[in-house]
Amino acid sequence: EDQVTQSPEALRLQEGESSSLNCSYTVSGLRGLFWYRQDPGKGPEFLFTLYSAGEEKEKERLKATLTKKESFLHITAPKPEDSATYLCASQGVAGTASKLTFGTGTRLQVTL
Amino acid sequence: ETGVTQSPTHLIKTRGQQVTLRCSSQSGHNTVSWYQQALGQGPQFIFQYYREEENGRGNFPPRFSGLQFPNYSSELNVNALELDDSALYLCASSSDGQGIAFFGQGTRLTVV
Repeated sequence: EDQVTQSPEALRLQEGESSSLNCSYTVSGLRGLFWYRQDPGKGPEFLFTLYSAGEEKEKERLKATLTKKESFLHITAPKPEDSATYLCASQGVAGTASKLTFGTGTRLQVTL
Repeated sequence: ETGVTQSPTHLIKTRGQQVTLRCSSQSGHNTVSWYQQALGQGPQFIFQYYREEENGRGNFPPRFSGLQFPNYSSELNVNALELDDSALYLCASSSDGQGIAFFGQGTRLTVV
């Protein structure tokens, strides 16, 4: 069974204090590794997709990396507006469907 | 280009009742997936519809059912509501089920 584990569950950073979020995954036939941002009461907002070990993608203060067992979301010099829950998901199969298996997320709070 | 839209945004139902949630997919997308997100958890895959057919299902009982229409919009129906069905229901659309899944804002269902 596909499994995704995220750590830490919660992270509090001061503005400008860089850190990394971890996502460990176990999936048969990984089709992609996704990162989403979710604000309270809203739907997940797409950030990145990674497809093969060694791949990296960047967007503003965020950088996502992928190994064969883990993905990291690096946050450089975060700002208060980066506060959100960050969800990691592996893309696998269910029947002939392509499904996402999500972790429980990391709740990030960035303070001034 | 319009994004994924869901209706209603909030709903309160009584245990044992039935509910229908609606989703309009993003322009150009022919695949819709439904997810259930309990408070503090990651979204869980319910099922996926591709070209009006269910092509994959997660670990949800048959009282969770759906439809996809020729314009690729979709409905999620839940019969015999239980208290544990209280959650945020998310719809995601993608192209041919393989690409990036874009989520709507969700429907918050409360069962009392």
